[in-house]
Amino acid sequence: EDQVTQSPEALRLQEGESSSLNCSYTVSGLRGLFWYRQDPGKGPEFLFTLYSAGEEKEKERLKATLTKKESFLHITAPKPEDSATYLCAVRSYNTDKLIFGTGTRLQVFP
Amino acid sequence: DAGVIQSPRHEVTEMGQEVTLRCKPISGHDYLFWYRQTMMRGLELLIYFNNNVPIDDSGMPEDRFSAKMPNASFSTLKIQPSEPRDSAVYFCASSLILGTADSPLHFGNGTRLTVT
Repeated sequence: EDQVTQSPEALRLQEGESSSLNCSYTVSGLRGLFWYRQDPGKGPEFLFTLYSAGEEKEKERLKATLTKKESFLHITAPKPEDSATYLCAVRSYNTDKLIFGTGTRLQVFP
Repeated sequence: DAGVIQSPRHEVTEMGQEVTLRCKPISGHDYLFWYRQTMMRGLELLIYFNNNVPIDDSGMPEDRFSAKMPNASFSTLKIQPSEPRDSAVYFCASSLILGTADSPLHFGNGTRLTVT
């Protein structure tokens, strides 16, 4: 069964303090790994798709990387507006379903 | 594009009542997904459609839940009768053809359901 585990559950950072969020996955043939950002009261917003080990994608202060077992979302010099819940999801070749982890709740303090 | 539109944004109902949640996907998207989000279990896929046809409903909790997609621009998720454990945020999402390089799900802002 496809599974996604995210850690930590919650992370508090000082503005400018870089860190990484982890997404470990078990899937029968990875078709794609997705990162989403979710703000309170809103639906998840798409950030990145990664397809193969070694791939990296960047957007502003965020960089996502992928290995055969996990993905990292690196946040460089975060700002308070980066505060949100970050969700990881995987899709396998066996199905069209997108399976989500439970997310990491990030708070960045000025 | 207005994005995925869900209604109502909030729904409060009493146990035993029927609840209908509505979704308008992004025009041109041929996949539609219904998810439920709770603190304990995160985002769970309930059912998804391709070209208005239900493909996988294995995530639907029980017979009290049903979903329809009568046309490409409208879908409903119905709970009858509702129970307090159904309280959650329900999200609808749509997507272009899966398997292409850029086919993420686009989510609506959800319906927060409270069953008392």
